[in-house]
Amino acid sequence: GQNIDQPTEMTATEGAIVQINCTYQTSGFNGLFWYQQHAGEAPTFLSYNVLDGLEEKGRFSSFLSRSKGYSYLLLKELQMKDSASYLCAATDSNYQLIWGAGTKLIIKP
Amino acid sequence: ETGVTQTPRHLVMGMTNKKSLKCEQHLGHNAMYWYKQSAKKPLELMFVYNFKEQTENNSVPSRFSPECPNSSHLFLHLHTLQPEDSALYLCASSQDFDGGGSNQPQHFGDGTRLSIL
Repeated sequence: GQNIDQPTEMTATEGAIVQINCTYQTSGFNGLFWYQQHAGEAPTFLSYNVLDGLEEKGRFSSFLSRSKGYSYLLLKELQMKDSASYLCAATDSNYQLIWGAGTKLIIKP
Repeated sequence: ETGVTQTPRHLVMGMTNKKSLKCEQHLGHNAMYWYKQSAKKPLELMFVYNFKEQTENNSVPSRFSPECPNSSHLFLHLHTLQPEDSALYLCASSQDFDGGGSNQPQHFGDGTRLSIL
């Protein structure tokens, strides 16, 4: 079956760096998305990776290894507003999105 | 402001009631989606519409009935719901929906928090 695994919850300190991992098993692969969702709000698009390597966008970077079925989201210089859930979603050969359950990130002062 | 507006934000209803959820997108997108989000579970895709035509129905019970009168509006009509239907219902849109799916990012509304008594 198709599956996405990501940690349920992580805690980090303001100003630090945190890496949120995501592993996927899909029938074919056409890219991977990361979304951020604050409590009570809409998920918002962060990144899309389809080729191996690191994509950097300001404080956030996303990495993909297709051969390992692995991605991570790297958040630098953490701010309190980064406290949110981070959703990983992979697209299969039919471009169906397979969603993870999300990682709740708690930032402490 | 995400460009996708959902109403109401909160809804409490009894199992015998009939209500509707509304979604409107102001992004000029052609594809619209309904998702169910339950605590600590992955998003569950319910329905997909592309150019007003339903392209996906992921074995959703008939007590959920979607309607898409045009590319900007999407409704989810609810009747005779069960307690396990209590969840956050999210609407999303994307530029297009190619074949079986799309690699375009989806834009979500803030959702309707539904509670079934």
